[in-house]
Amino acid sequence: AQSVTQLGSHVSVSEGALVLLRCNYSSSVPPYLFWYVQYPNQGLQLLLKYTSAATLVKGINGFEAEFKKSETSFHLTKPSAHMSDAAEYFCAVSEETSGSRLTFGEGTQLTVNP
Amino acid sequence: NAGVTQTPKFQVLKTGQSMTLQCAQDMNHEYMSWYRQDPGMGLRLIHYSVGAGITDQGEVPNGYNVSRSTTEDFPLRLLSAAPSQTSVYFCASSYRQIMNTEAFFGQGTRLTVV
Repeated sequence: AQSVTQLGSHVSVSEGALVLLRCNYSSSVPPYLFWYVQYPNQGLQLLLKYTSAATLVKGINGFEAEFKKSETSFHLTKPSAHMSDAAEYFCAVSEETSGSRLTFGEGTQLTVNP
Repeated sequence: NAGVTQTPKFQVLKTGQSMTLQCAQDMNHEYMSWYRQDPGMGLRLIHYSVGAGITDQGEVPNGYNVSRSTTEDFPLRLLSAAPSQTSVYFCASSYRQIMNTEAFFGQGTRLTVV
């Protein structure tokens, strides 16, 4: 069975500050890991994904995440937050590279203060 | 290119009523899934399908039925709505075996059962 834990249901940062959203996973098979973003009243948009190639993954909008097997983590970072980054972020795990049958974390609401 | 289309966007039901949430995709994806999103719980998989004529249960299937008669469509049926089914429902689709791809999500259906 797979599971995902996101530490911190709400994260607040100042504009220009570092964004760090934490994700830990549990999987009995090599995992494929994903970060999705959801803007208000919208569907989910893929930010980035890890599929066993490079452990440091770069995504859209300046986000990146590092897969650390020893820590079972896949934290999402962005060096400098923009107001437009305010959204809910979901970490997810799948046994399939296409991201089918995703198991999601609880989500982290990111607030960016001016 | 429409992607994944869900209808309706909003729906209010009375307890005990039935309804069907529609989902259609135009990308010839084999894989289609239904998730529900509840506050603090992320998204949870209800049912999924790996191709026409094949469906299976996800994490929270009780109270929901699905069928997949065509590649394009994957409707979700609530036979007797309950207040616990108040949620936002998302449909997703993806290729099944192509590497380096992703799941695409619809815009969601917000359902309230009173």
